[in-house]
Amino acid sequence: LQLQESGPGLVKPSETLSLSCTVSGGSISGSARYYWAWIRQPPGKGLEWIGSIHYSGSTYYNPSLKSRIIISTDMSKNQFSLRLSSVTAADMAVYYCARRGCSGGECFFDYWGQGTLVTVSS
Amino acid sequence: QSVLTQPPSASGTPGQRITISCSGGSSNIGAHTVNWYQHLPGTAPKLLIYLTNQRPSGVPDRFSGSKSGTSASLAISGLLSEDEADYYCSAWDASLNAAVFGGGTRLTVL
Repeated sequence: LQLQESGPGLVKPSETLSLSCTVSGGSISGSARYYWAWIRQPPGKGLEWIGSIHYSGSTYYNPSLKSRIIISTDMSKNQFSLRLSSVTAADMAVYYCARRGCSGGECFFDYWGQGTLVTVSS
Repeated sequence: QSVLTQPPSASGTPGQRITISCSGGSSNIGAHTVNWYQHLPGTAPKLLIYLTNQRPSGVPDRFSGSKSGTSASLAISGLLSEDEADYYCSAWDASLNAAVFGGGTRLTVL
């Protein structure tokens, strides 16, 4: 399974960041067991989970970002996407997409993309 | 400020055994399993340990995880130069209703 992020590397303050993650080697709708996630890492800081989506459309978001996030799927392209609105310099980060697997109700991110750097600047 | 606390750095010599700690609270490590990720900058992070002490296929048994109360540890034995990387712990936080991570520990093999 491989995941690859894509999207603009530069976004202006107050605008909307849009990224896509293309999944290859497996279908995002191939198993009900998995959710598909976005995670980010600001420069010099730790990882932050943004949110996750199931192919059924069920989503759950980090409450700290929930008001600005939309995660969606495009089954025809085997992709899922992130939209983060009203970006500021604090949203500058490497953005990763990942697959979330679970066992017995406990979950983990078992496949990740290489990440894409998004800079916020006018 | 990360929810889970890790030392920013660790080091060891080849062949040595080292441990990396991850401290949390009753709503995360105290209530849920812990996962560990290995990350070389510029590459995809790799799941190293899941469900506190399970190794995915292909991860050497030199890597092991454990948990006690609200703290967890990653142990690496027989240290190799290729183990030089950043290591992150993670768990679900029931109070925040979010997956949370540690700030990461940069391991240097001297």
